[in-house]
Amino acid sequence: SQTIHQWPATLVQPVGSPLSLECTVEGTSNPNLYWYRQAAGRGLQLLFYSVGIGQISSEVPQNLSASRPQDRQFILSSKKLLLSDSGFYLCAWTRDGAYEQYFGPGTRLTVT
Amino acid sequence: AQTVTQSQPEMSVQEAETVTLSCTYDTSESDYYLFWYKQPPSRQMILVIRQEAYKQQNATENRFSVNFQKAAKSFSLKISDSQLGDAAMYFCAYRSGGNNRLAFGKGNQVVVIP
Repeated sequence: SQTIHQWPATLVQPVGSPLSLECTVEGTSNPNLYWYRQAAGRGLQLLFYSVGIGQISSEVPQNLSASRPQDRQFILSSKKLLLSDSGFYLCAWTRDGAYEQYFGPGTRLTVT
Repeated sequence: AQTVTQSQPEMSVQEAETVTLSCTYDTSESDYYLFWYKQPPSRQMILVIRQEAYKQQNATENRFSVNFQKAAKSFSLKISDSQLGDAAMYFCAYRSGGNNRLAFGKGNQVVVIP
């Protein structure tokens, strides 16, 4: 069966520091991968998605970036965090050609 | 861009009773998919039920069922025999058949009263 992992689970970082969040999927190959952000009390905002290694589409221009160095690994990064980057970050995957997305456990990021 | 609207930010239901959550969406497409996701306090998003737009029959998963009204662009979720574990935020989501991006509503909080 397929599983999706995210780490770290929680993170507290000062403004201006770098960020790296990791997402990996097991039990499948060539998944489509997604990064979402959920601000407190709000819905989900799609940040990036990827249909293959090195292929990244950005939905929201901001100081975040994403990379996909391996087939089942998706990384969300920032060179300098802003206070507004605080939130809950969710990674999701879907099989190529399928239509439902499955989510990881999420990372709670607090920028102080 | 498609928009998904969920009104009634918070709904309360007695344990063992039924609650219905409303969702409407805006689209000009004929090929699309609709979903309800549950987000418990742990905050992991869990797929509850899905509906293909080309299917007339309403989807059902155990105590969860939907009322899909394509012409009205309405997609409501009914939770029957509510249990304490059903307490969560519920999100309606839309996906076009032409791409793989999900558009989410803002969510409905369900409170289950013992």
